[in-house]
Amino acid sequence: EAGVTQFPSHSVIEKGQTVTLRCDPISGHDNLYWYRRVMGKEIKFLLHFVKESKQDESGMPNNRFLAERTGGTYSTLKVQPAELEDSGVYFCASSPGPRGEQFFGPGTRLTVL
Amino acid sequence: GDSVTQMEGPVTLSEEAFLTINCTYTATGYPSLFWYVQYPGEGLQLLLKATKADDKGSNKGFEATYRKETTSFHLEKGSVQVSDSAVYFCALSAGAGSYQLTFGKGTKLSVIP
Repeated sequence: EAGVTQFPSHSVIEKGQTVTLRCDPISGHDNLYWYRRVMGKEIKFLLHFVKESKQDESGMPNNRFLAERTGGTYSTLKVQPAELEDSGVYFCASSPGPRGEQFFGPGTRLTVL
Repeated sequence: GDSVTQMEGPVTLSEEAFLTINCTYTATGYPSLFWYVQYPGEGLQLLLKATKADDKGSNKGFEATYRKETTSFHLEKGSVQVSDSAVYFCALSAGAGSYQLTFGKGTKLSVIP
């Protein structure tokens, strides 16, 4: 069974540009989570989807971040326009149910110059 | 709000040494507690978990006991191997409708032959 995959693995962009990160969860997992780790800090929760609905988006830092999960399968996280402080590693995780183990992808390393 | 504090790294040990990574938490209610491990180039993997006070989670020779009186969940292993070199994250899930994970900063462990 394939695990959680994320694309791209690395992205380097300039301040003000737009970047879209993609996450493909494990097939059949209704719950999908986005997290972010800024250099030297904790991994922080961004939001939680149940199928295509946003269950909890309390961790989204501001309106420059837009997450979607059309059709309840893969998810995208768009940052527009990117700022320097958005640099970090973005992790996606999925689980079959909200209380189940969260399976993490390898992350996307975003660098904003 | 909820928080997790774990010992800062990096930690360097010789093979077969004893490992302890301290983790304490602050949370309302009765959270579930987790240790995740991230091997180089990979995503986070659940190492072990405990869902109630005095529970002991164990896996691959690692153990941690949920201590409510000291709000701690210290990770231990009696004899580390080179293959245990990784970053270890302590985390909690508050439950009660909130399924996001709250992480500590992570502790990088290097085991030398």
